[in-house]
Amino acid sequence: AQSVSQHNHHVILSEAASLELGCNYSYGGTVNLFWYVQYPGQHLQLLLKYFSGDPLVKGIKGFEAEFIKSKFSFNLRKPSVQWSDTAEYFCAVNTPGGNEKLTFGTGTRLTIIP
Amino acid sequence: GAVVSQHPSWVICKSGTSVKIECRSLDFQATTMFWYRQFPKQSLMLMATSNEGSKATYEQGVEKDKFLINHASLTLSTLTVTSAHPEDSSFYICSGLAINSPLHFGNGTRLTVT
Repeated sequence: AQSVSQHNHHVILSEAASLELGCNYSYGGTVNLFWYVQYPGQHLQLLLKYFSGDPLVKGIKGFEAEFIKSKFSFNLRKPSVQWSDTAEYFCAVNTPGGNEKLTFGTGTRLTIIP
Repeated sequence: GAVVSQHPSWVICKSGTSVKIECRSLDFQATTMFWYRQFPKQSLMLMATSNEGSKATYEQGVEKDKFLINHASLTLSTLTVTSAHPEDSSFYICSGLAINSPLHFGNGTRLTVT
């Protein structure tokens, strides 16, 4: 079975700072990788996903993530955060052909200080 | 974009009573619905997967007689927490999946059992 670790539980940054949120997964086979965001009072939204190909994936709102297979990592990055990026971020994985069942990390709360 | 409406968003009930949570896909037909539960500071845990017109498939450790899932149509799935106890207090989230479409999540339901 897969598992997902998000090391940072709460990150506080000032506007314009650079962001990197860690995500590591545990699974020996091929995985699909996702980052979801949940803004206060809203539903989970897909930020970006990796299935195959270029390990550097670009998503919405200036976010990107890099899949490093040797490190079982899929860290989320943004070069310059905005106050509106304040949200909870979840890393998730599933296996190809696995009926879309997702395994989530515990989430990272990001607070941006204006 | 596709919308999943989850209702109620917040419910308080007394121990021993039952609570029904509805999940509707408003502008797409969800062939598969997933129900997740999230305890404070923990990750979303998949409870069950339901396909329209079929019995739900429950994850290990989830009591199917306690968490009744009905997916009678392509636009509606319900989760009924029967004989609720304080330990069932949690955040419940549904997500809908259509063919060739990404997952869409509801806003979640916070259940408090007193």
